[in-house]
Amino acid sequence: GAVVSQHPSWVICKSGTSVKIECRSLDFQATTMFWYRQFPKQSLMLMATSNEGSKATYEQGVEKDKFLINHASLTLSTLTVTSAHPEDSSFYICSARSGRSEKLFFGSGTQLSVL
Amino acid sequence: QKEVEQNSGPLSVPEGAIASLNCTYSDRVSQSFFWYRQYSGKSPELIMSIYSNGDKEDGRFTAQLNKASQYVSLLIRDSQPSDSATYLCAGGATDSWGKFQFGAGTQVVVTP
Repeated sequence: GAVVSQHPSWVICKSGTSVKIECRSLDFQATTMFWYRQFPKQSLMLMATSNEGSKATYEQGVEKDKFLINHASLTLSTLTVTSAHPEDSSFYICSARSGRSEKLFFGSGTQLSVL
Repeated sequence: QKEVEQNSGPLSVPEGAIASLNCTYSDRVSQSFFWYRQYSGKSPELIMSIYSNGDKEDGRFTAQLNKASQYVSLLIRDSQPSDSATYLCAGGATDSWGKFQFGAGTQVVVTP
């Protein structure tokens, strides 16, 4: 299957700082990537759809100025959590599609803890 | 109604038995469905996809899709302790290709 690399795996930061998470498709070009957030014992919540070369499409209730998404190339999308607060602590996961396949391949996830 | 609904469990299954997981979906979900397995603290891993009515088998896994009744199920035969995980049902959203709707997941616990 296609490989999606996500870094870092975990990060601890102070309240008010910004954190950047990278998502890379290693062996395919991903025109579209998706960013999810998952709280303990809950399902994946789609935050935004990231399209290469254009602005991300955010889901209702997700602050685009707080969760900055950049998809500058066909293999890299980044999510920056700006001015992080403890309530932003969560498991963030990216995913990508390979070509015309509807299958989603997930990155390994990033556990963010904001102190 | 949520787009994709699953029983959260936990579903306790003796080792060697069959685990049966069910998922129902709304009209806002398309006809392509996926089952993902997620271990605690890890990201989801695709185990099955199904697009047509009927059964699809892959090793110890069998997915079943019934479009008329709008449900999709997953059977795990000869359950092993390593199958203990949360299983997520996902369907493609009808309003956006490639955008998935996920169920809340069913926790499966296989007991030795």
